[in-house]
Amino acid sequence: DAGVIQSPRHEVTEMGQEVTLRCKPISGHNSLFWYRQTMMRGLELLIYFNNNVPIDDSGMPEDRFSAKMPNASFSTLKIQPSEPRDSAVYFCASSQRRTGSTGELFFGEGSRLTVL
Amino acid sequence: AQTVTQSQPEMSVQEAETVTLSCTYDTSESDYYLFWYKQPPSRQMILVIRQEAYKQQNATENRFSVNFQKAAKSFSLKISDSQLGDAAMYFCAYRRRAGGSEKLVFGKGTKLTVNP
Repeated sequence: DAGVIQSPRHEVTEMGQEVTLRCKPISGHNSLFWYRQTMMRGLELLIYFNNNVPIDDSGMPEDRFSAKMPNASFSTLKIQPSEPRDSAVYFCASSQRRTGSTGELFFGEGSRLTVL
Repeated sequence: AQTVTQSQPEMSVQEAETVTLSCTYDTSESDYYLFWYKQPPSRQMILVIRQEAYKQQNATENRFSVNFQKAAKSFSLKISDSQLGDAAMYFCAYRRRAGGSEKLVFGKGTKLTVNP
């Protein structure tokens, strides 16, 4: 079975440019999470969706960040305009919401973003 | 809000020896999951072991076992017969059970070095 698929794996961009990160969750999973990992702050939840609906976006740093989930098999995280402090690894994860679920999140390989 | 604390930023162990990584958490909930995730240099987040709070028996997965002390809100990971491939960042994580769609809260991580 395919796992969570993220693209791109690496992105290098200049300050002020728009960045779009993409995620395809595991088929059948109905919860999707975006996390950001930095040395200073560790793993932070940015936003998560249940059944394509955003549930908690309190971790989104500011208006420059936005996330969408137009359908059950695709989500995007957009940064516009990007700044050097946005440099981090961004993880997408998915899980299955049902009775008897194991509760674990399945992670993609992450997108490493570098903003110059 | 739930918090997860890993008090050991770094640990080291000799190959074939045993090491224990510490984790404490804070919650007012009674039903939840606890996890240990491993992140090797490849940055992939890999589930090591899972514990459901209602289960009194400590979870075990081959060389990995936990010591779950619910009253003390402690969840330590023991790695027996350490191998070079165990070298990685280890993250303790908490997830409220409520419907299985809640976010995962991570500790800051412990970097484990395995010496040959």
